[in-house]
Amino acid sequence: EAGVTQFPSHSVIEKGQTVTLRCDPISGHDNLYWYRRVMGKEIKFLLHFVKESKQDESGMPNNRFLAERTGGTYSTLKVQPAELEDSGVYFCASSRSRNTDTQYFGPGTRLTVL
Amino acid sequence: DQQVKQNSPSLSVQEGRISILNCDYTNSMFDYFLWYKKYPAEGPTFLISISSIKDKNEDGRFTVFLNKSAKHLSLHIVPSQPGDSAVYFCAAASNDYKLSFGAGTTVTVRA
Repeated sequence: EAGVTQFPSHSVIEKGQTVTLRCDPISGHDNLYWYRRVMGKEIKFLLHFVKESKQDESGMPNNRFLAERTGGTYSTLKVQPAELEDSGVYFCASSRSRNTDTQYFGPGTRLTVL
Repeated sequence: DQQVKQNSPSLSVQEGRISILNCDYTNSMFDYFLWYKKYPAEGPTFLISISSIKDKNEDGRFTVFLNKSAKHLSLHIVPSQPGDSAVYFCAAASNDYKLSFGAGTTVTVRA
């Protein structure tokens, strides 16, 4: 069974540009989460999808961040326009059932905004 | 507001000895706790978990202890092996299973 995959692995952009991160969850996992780790600190929750619906987006920093999960399969996280403080590692995780199953994480996308 | 804290940023232990990692939390609504292990350039990998109805869970060399009254949990690794060198994250969740993580503890196992 393939794990959670994320693309790209690294992205370097200039302030003001747009970047789109992609996450492919484990097949059959309805729950998809986005997290972010900034400057080696704690990993922080951004949002949670159940299938194509956003269940909780309380962790999204501001309206420059837009997450979608059309069709309930893969998800994208767009940052537009990017700011310096958006630099960090963005992790995606998926689980089959929200209540009982472990969240499995992807390798992350390292975003650097110059 | 950080609800999960790992106050030791690093830990060095000799191979074969016990590694003890500590974690404190402030939110009394947390009822599920997990430890993740992370190697460089990889995502966190689930290690072990414990529900708030238990005070101990064991899986091979890994044991997690939960002290609800103190809002404290710990991870014991016995015996420590070189492959255990990694960053360990403590995480907690309430009924929505949104994970709150600590900042991580870097474990180095010396040969």
